[in-house]
Amino acid sequence: AQTVTQSQPEMSVQEAETVTLSCTYDTSESDYYLFWYKQPPSRQMILVIRQEAYKQQNATENRFSVNFQKAAKSFSLKISDSQLGDAAMYFCAYRSADNYGQNFVFGPGTRLSVLP
Amino acid sequence: GAGVSQSPRYKVAKRGQDVALRCDPISGHVSLFWYQQALGQGPEFLTYFQNEAQLDKSGLPSDRFFAERPEGSVSTLKIQRTQQEDSAVYLCASSLLGWRADTQYFGPGTRLTVL
Repeated sequence: AQTVTQSQPEMSVQEAETVTLSCTYDTSESDYYLFWYKQPPSRQMILVIRQEAYKQQNATENRFSVNFQKAAKSFSLKISDSQLGDAAMYFCAYRSADNYGQNFVFGPGTRLSVLP
Repeated sequence: GAGVSQSPRYKVAKRGQDVALRCDPISGHVSLFWYQQALGQGPEFLTYFQNEAQLDKSGLPSDRFFAERPEGSVSTLKIQRTQQEDSAVYLCASSLLGWRADTQYFGPGTRLTVL
């Protein structure tokens, strides 16, 4: 079974600065998808960024980018120019690419605080 | 609708009561998922539907948990004889197709508290 680990329960960043959230995962599969989701206090999970394992190029979405290291099974999220609205729980998630891998496996989350 | 909606947002039940949690997915979305999120933890998979077919229920913790999606749209998660360990946020998500690369869109969740 796949597992996802987020070793930083809490992180803080100064507004306008850059922060990196860590995620590692364990799998024996070669094809899969990785995601970062944001969950603000309202609880609605919002997709931040997605990475296909077969793509070597790191995904980027505006101020959000990932550092995907397949061999190391590492998938960190970098938030540039942090804004107050970035404060939330961030979850790293894994999804198998096989026929039965429809569900996500989530990590325990990292709570990000943004300091004004 | 514009997004996934869930009702009620909050539910308090006495131990032993039955509860029913509703999920309205985005219109036209084929796939629907239920997750359980304990306090301070990430969501854990419960069950998955493709249209009205329940293709995976491997995450349901006991036979007290039952989910249905009879017409392939609205889904209900039912918990019988609730126990304190059932207290959690129950999240519903939907995706357009059944493809693995699909983005899952989450609802706001139902917070269940069992006294």
